[in-house]
Amino acid sequence: QQPVQSPQAVILREGEDAVINCSSSKALYSVHWYRQKHGEAPVFLMILLKGGEQKGHEKISASFNEKKQQSSLYLTASQLSYSGTYFCGTEIYGGSQGNLIFGKGTKLSVKP
Amino acid sequence: SQTIHQWPATLVQPVGSPLSLECTVEGTSNPNLYWYRQAAGRGLQLLFYSVGIGQISSEVPQNLSASRPQDRQFILSSKKLLLSDSGFYLCAWSWEGEAFFGQGTRLTVV
Repeated sequence: QQPVQSPQAVILREGEDAVINCSSSKALYSVHWYRQKHGEAPVFLMILLKGGEQKGHEKISASFNEKKQQSSLYLTASQLSYSGTYFCGTEIYGGSQGNLIFGKGTKLSVKP
Repeated sequence: SQTIHQWPATLVQPVGSPLSLECTVEGTSNPNLYWYRQAAGRGLQLLFYSVGIGQISSEVPQNLSASRPQDRQFILSSKKLLLSDSGFYLCAWSWEGEAFFGQGTRLTVV
């Protein structure tokens, strides 16, 4: 039931864009996105609950497809501070509230 | 406001020694509480979750155990640590679908 994240790693130059995908074989109740800096706790970015939903702001946004099986995180005009590992956490229908199952993460490195 | 405290921040323990990691939450009542582990280069793995005092669900069978003696206290324990127990342990609580993490404990078993 672990969601599949892709790519596993990506290297960008400042100002470039990136897309990180999170897929599930079953429809999801929700998708959460987190960013973790090395040695620190994950930081919550956003949660998506509705099929077809898009949220976020100009620089970092995410979408949830209509079938609620896939979510993508969009990083636009990346900055050095965007470096870290991005995790998607998913909740399944019928599971305990907040019982997130995380993907293996996508390591993003932004170079000057 | 709600805060979550987790300690210690780092710990080095010999193989076979016991373990006790503590997590407390402030500013909320009856939270769902979680212990996650992140091994080097791997994703977050849910170890235990609790929906109330004395109620513990285990996701992964291993030599770790968890207890919730009070509403806002969650403890991760082991009687005898293994080398494979090394990792970054995170306590978290959730409310309305959003999870909040403690700062983590980096455990090195030597």
